[in-house]
Amino acid sequence: EAGVAQSPRYKIIEKRQSVAFWCNPISGHATLYWYQQILGQGPKLLIQFQNNGVVDDSQLPKDRFSAERLKGVDSTLKIQPAKLEDSAVYLCASSLVRDRVMQETQYFGPGTRLLVL
Amino acid sequence: QKEVEQNSGPLSVPEGAIASLNCTYSDRGSQSFFWYRQYSGKSPELIMFIYSNGDKEDGRFTAQLNKASQYVSLLIRDSQPSDSATYLCAVRGGRGSTLGRLYFGRGTQLTVWP
Repeated sequence: EAGVAQSPRYKIIEKRQSVAFWCNPISGHATLYWYQQILGQGPKLLIQFQNNGVVDDSQLPKDRFSAERLKGVDSTLKIQPAKLEDSAVYLCASSLVRDRVMQETQYFGPGTRLLVL
Repeated sequence: QKEVEQNSGPLSVPEGAIASLNCTYSDRGSQSFFWYRQYSGKSPELIMFIYSNGDKEDGRFTAQLNKASQYVSLLIRDSQPSDSATYLCAVRGGRGSTLGRLYFGRGTQLTVWP
C-alpha cells in the first residue's frame, strides 16, 4: 500500500512570495489533515477535510493560508504572502473512515520543509 | 485551548535500560491517547494508542493511562540505540472538538547510548 505522498520535499522562498504544497493521501482515505510543525514543537493542525468538505480550519491563518481538496482526493495548501514565521515543516496526514466511523490512526507523509528568507 | 505537556528532555539512557516518557493533558473529556515516534528529519509514525485506564503492552513498549490524573506515559524496555528519536504525545480532543483532531505535545527527545 502506497503511503501519503507530498511534494515538493523542500522549498526556499523569500518573504512575501507565494508557495503551494501538494498532498496525495492513501487511497481510500476520506479524511485529510494539514499540519504545521515548527522546529522543536509538535505538529499543529491547520485544516482537516472529510472528503472534499472542510471539517476544521479554526487554526488556519486565513489571511494568508488557503487549502482545497476539490475532488476529495488530492489537496493543495497555499501560502500567500509568506512570512518569516511560516518557516516550518508542513505535514499532510490521512485516515480511513470505515463503516462511517473515523479510524484513529493518522498516517503522515514525509512533509515539505519550507524556509522563508 | 487544549494543552498537552511533555518533559522536553533530552532524556538519555544506556542501552538495555528502561526509558520513561511522560505526558499530561488539560482536556478532561479526552478519550484517545497516542504516542508517535519521530526520527530526525522524518515524519511522525504511530507507536501505540490507548483508550482505557491502565497499561497496554506491545512488545518492548508499554503505554500507561490514568484519566483521573490526566496523565499518560510510555515505557520502553530494553532500550536500543535505534529507539533514539523524539517521542510525541498526542491527545484526541473530547466533547466540543472536531472528531479526529489531535493535539500534540512538543515531544521528548530520547537518546539511547551504547
